[in-house]
Formats: sequence, structure tokens, C-alpha cells
Amino acid sequence: QKEVEQNSGPLSVPEGAIASLNCTYSDRGSQSFFWYRQYSGKSPELIMSIYSNGDKEDGRFTAQLNKASQYVSLLIRDSQPSDSATYLCAVRSSGSARQLTFGSGTQLTVLP
Amino acid sequence: DTEVTQTPKHLVMGMTNKKSLKCEQHMGHRAMYWYKQKAKKPPELMFVYSYEKLSINESVPSRFSPECPNSSLLNLHLHALQPEDSALYLCASSPGGRESAYNEQFFGPGTRLTVL
Repeated sequence: QKEVEQNSGPLSVPEGAIASLNCTYSDRGSQSFFWYRQYSGKSPELIMSIYSNGDKEDGRFTAQLNKASQYVSLLIRDSQPSDSATYLCAVRSSGSARQLTFGSGTQLTVLP
Repeated sequence: DTEVTQTPKHLVMGMTNKKSLKCEQHMGHRAMYWYKQKAKKPPELMFVYSYEKLSINESVPSRFSPECPNSSLLNLHLHALQPEDSALYLCASSPGGRESAYNEQFFGPGTRLTVL
């Protein structure tokens, strides 16, 4: 069973703080990793993709990947109340299926 | 145009009805997906079309029937659904075919389905 694990939260941070969201995966052959943001009642929105070890920055978002530890994280700097949402980690599996496996999501609340 | 569109936004149907959900993308993407999402759960993959051919069917009941008329359109035909089928139905697309390793998936806004 190829799994993606996330802390379900909820995670609360004050406005302006750094929010840290974590994800581990079981399929060592996974090649691509994604973070989606989903507001309540809306569809998932792709915010970051990462394919190689290290950090990838896009504005206030930084994705970090460590394939040896099978760990991917998302940092949100200068968190804003508008960042309050559920964040889904998704991992593209190896093998013939190559489909996305989603974690259960972490609910983030940024307090004004 | 970087959007995936879905119609209708909301659908209420009885267990004996037949209805269809529609999805469209004009990004030239070659893979399209149907997902089902229940409240407070992650999306569950139902079907994958790659280059207009059905390549994955995740053991979905036959009351759900997908169709890909062309590379831009994806339909999901619904018949004799059960109340437990009520969920948000999401369409997604990605640039490459199913085998492409670096396939970002982009979701449409979804259809909120209620089965009475």
C-alpha cells in the first residue's frame, strides 16, 4: 500500500509567523511531489511542485524535499489569514499506475 | 486559457435519474481525470484518460460511466446513483500522457452532487 501521511492538524499560527506543513511517503520510487491548497467548499489549487532534493521557493512558499528520508514539507512565510485552508500533499507514484496519491490534508488556521 | 471548467456547479438528482457531468480544458493537455471527494477527505481517483483512451478505472461501480469525446472534453454519465454517491466531483487535467513523470494536475471547480 503506497501511502502519504500528513499531520491532520488543525494547525494554528499567528499572522506573520511561519507555518510548517509536513508530509511523509512510503513509495521510495516516487519522483514528483505537489502541494495543493483547498479552501472550504472549493477545489484543490496547485501551489507548489518539487522534483529534486532541496528547497524550491515561490514567493512566500518554500517546498523542501528529502528523498532519502521520504519527507516533503511546505513552509509559508509571513502567514496571512487568507492562507487559512486545508493543504494537501500529493505524491506521484512509481510503477505503471503513476497516479497521484493524496495525504489526508492539514487544516491551517492563521489567526489575525 | 489556463482553466479547467466543469458544469453544472451543483446537481440534485433522484436515484432513478440519468444525468451527466461535463468537463472542458483548452490547454492542450493530454490526460484528464475524474475524482470524487467526500467532506474532509482527500480526492479519490475514479478514472484516467490518457490521449483520449481510458487507462485507469479504479474499480468504480458501473453506475458511473466516463466518456472522452475529444482531447478537450470529458463527461461522466450518472445512472441509478445511491445517496452515498453524494460528493464533490472533480475533473483535472495534466499536460503529458499518463506515463509522463512530471505531470502537474490542475483541477476544475467541481460539481457538487446530491443524490436524494
